Amino acid sequence: DAKTTQPNSMESNEEEPVHLPCNHSTISGTDYIHWYRQLPSQGPEYVIHGLTSNVNNRMASLAIAEDRKSSTLILHRATLRDAAVYYCILRPNTGGFKTIFGAGTRLFVKA
Amino acid sequence: NAGVTQTPKFQVLKTGQSMTLQCAQDMNHEYMSWYRQDPGMGLRLIHYSVGAGITDQGEVPNGYNVSRSTTEDFPLRLLSAAPSQTSVYFCASSPSRDSGNTIYFGEGSWLTVV
Repeated sequence: DAKTTQPNSMESNEEEPVHLPCNHSTISGTDYIHWYRQLPSQGPEYVIHGLTSNVNNRMASLAIAEDRKSSTLILHRATLRDAAVYYCILRPNTGGFKTIFGAGTRLFVKA
Repeated sequence: NAGVTQTPKFQVLKTGQSMTLQCAQDMNHEYMSWYRQDPGMGLRLIHYSVGAGITDQGEVPNGYNVSRSTTEDFPLRLLSAAPSQTSVYFCASSPSRDSGNTIYFGEGSWLTVV
């Protein structure tokens, strides 16, 4: 199963953009890149996903490298409510749904 | 909108006791899974199912059993609880085999084994 690598933690100031990196050098051609976040004492929630092209939604943007070996989740203006653990995962298109989460990146937002 | 429902939310067990964590989803999702999350750690996959009657092991399956007799339900059984199974358990579901589809999580079940 392809794995992802993320920094353990990052810090940001409120109302500034945040770029959360993820490396997935062993990604296969049909793997989708998903991002989820987990607020304290809650289950993870979906943020965004993509395959090859950059994606935008109301929560965030996803920038995918041309070779797909890395991606970046972009929060355009961090708020205190964005303080959470962010997980970058790959969802294989074959072999069922053995979806593996890593440790994620804990984002701290300073007021 | 129920989504993914887990019960119980909190449970304390004595070592050696057995119990079942219930998980139900009302979205007709094919895929369901169970994760555990230890304090300060990420999610680890216990078991998963790609449809009724089909289950498979994840990263940490030892000490846990699952079954999938219906599309809606995916219970997780602890046969003989151990303190090492103290954790938060999350059930998740996803609509189809298309990897582009998102995963929906339950609110979690906090289990303490003493």
